[in-house]
Amino acid sequence: QTVVTQESSLTVSPGGTVTLTCASGTGAVTSSYYPHWFQQKSGQAPRALIYNTGTKHSWTPARFSGSLLGGKAALTLSGVQPEDEADYYCLLFYGGVWVFGGGTKLTVL
Amino acid sequence: QVQLQESGPGLVEPSETLSLTCAVSGDSVNSGNNYWSWIRQPPGKGLEWIGYIYSFGGTNYSPSLKSRATISLDKSKNQLSLKLNSVTAADTAVYYCAKTLANWGQGTLVTVSS
Repeated sequence: QTVVTQESSLTVSPGGTVTLTCASGTGAVTSSYYPHWFQQKSGQAPRALIYNTGTKHSWTPARFSGSLLGGKAALTLSGVQPEDEADYYCLLFYGGVWVFGGGTKLTVL
Repeated sequence: QVQLQESGPGLVEPSETLSLTCAVSGDSVNSGNNYWSWIRQPPGKGLEWIGYIYSFGGTNYSPSLKSRATISLDKSKNQLSLKLNSVTAADTAVYYCAKTLANWGQGTLVTVSS
């Protein structure tokens, strides 16, 4: 089974900027992996934020952006708000099969 | 706005078959180039993709669950279903359905225990 790796935890100050990354065990992540990003707050269902590397959903706040960075998929939060504290999951596509990363717990402190 | 609602038995005995449905409103499971997914999350752990089905009926599954999982559409009831056979305690999880990974249901907890 392909492994998708994320930082286990990150801490950021309110108003700051943080970048979460998503690495593939098979090599560099490209747009052909159609990276997705999801946010999950405690006790809630996941919410989709980004798809196809950097495309936002209509409900995604402007401070969230997706990109490719150094062979990984990346999610950048600029001007972090206290309500951004959550678990974040990336998802990559491997020729018909989707694989989630293990998730990053983001603490806003 | 599409809404999805998972339902099914909250408790399943080991070795039995887990059966869940996902009722869809605000959209048709039969429309367009959509695909409908099942994802699960064991308590306190991360998300695991189970599989998806296209509106035209094509399916794809996680290699680790392919031998036990079946996803289907009921176009007359506008819902999708998941069957997972030979369950064990490791299948205890919150199960989510989603439309094209954008819109998710609230999830339903299934516990495998005797």
